[in-house]
Amino acid sequence: EAQVTQNPRYLITVTGKKLTVTCSQNMNHEYMSWYRQDPGLGLRQIYYSMNVEVTDKGDVPEGYKVSRKEKRNFPLILESPSPNQTSLYFCASSAGSHNEQFFGPGTRLTVL
Amino acid sequence: GQQLNQSPQSMFIQEGEDVSMNCTSSSIFNTWLWYKQDPGEGPVLLIALYKAGELTSNGRLTAQFGITRKDSFLNISASIPSDVGIYFCAGPPLGNDMRFGAGTRLTVKP
Repeated sequence: EAQVTQNPRYLITVTGKKLTVTCSQNMNHEYMSWYRQDPGLGLRQIYYSMNVEVTDKGDVPEGYKVSRKEKRNFPLILESPSPNQTSLYFCASSAGSHNEQFFGPGTRLTVL
Repeated sequence: GQQLNQSPQSMFIQEGEDVSMNCTSSSIFNTWLWYKQDPGEGPVLLIALYKAGELTSNGRLTAQFGITRKDSFLNISASIPSDVGIYFCAGPPLGNDMRFGAGTRLTVKP
């Protein structure tokens, strides 16, 4: 089954404790992206990747890092999480930047 | 210039009513996409539009690509409780990556 998976689905952590949210897709997509969803703000892009070893900042990259060592995986790293990073995070993949994006199920992160 | 203005922000309707929502931008689009997000899940594509003036249906859903290429509309006819969720418009403004509207939160009362 074609899908995007994210782990964990739920995470409660404390300020400053490094964390990683994993994302994996099995559709051989070149383009992958991370979004955060906050009430009234819709989906805002954090980082995206056009292909392996190619990543770039989205609209709200501050406080986040990503890596793309393999085509299928695109982890999101928060080196020192802060409470304003409490949000719902979605990973997405697509054949290209202008194509339909397939979304993962979401990761709800709470930073205390 | 690349912002998508989606309206309304939320709707509360009675089961059986029709629903309309729209997205506008000052930028030109070659593609318009409409997604639905069910509670607790990620957005899923409902309809994709690729040509100005195009009208496409998916069951009770109909979407149109505006003639000016700067707007799109989504209509849902005879709403049912499972239509509840957040609807997003999306598209890549000419020369730019995908953008999403802020979403329309739909509540359907039985």
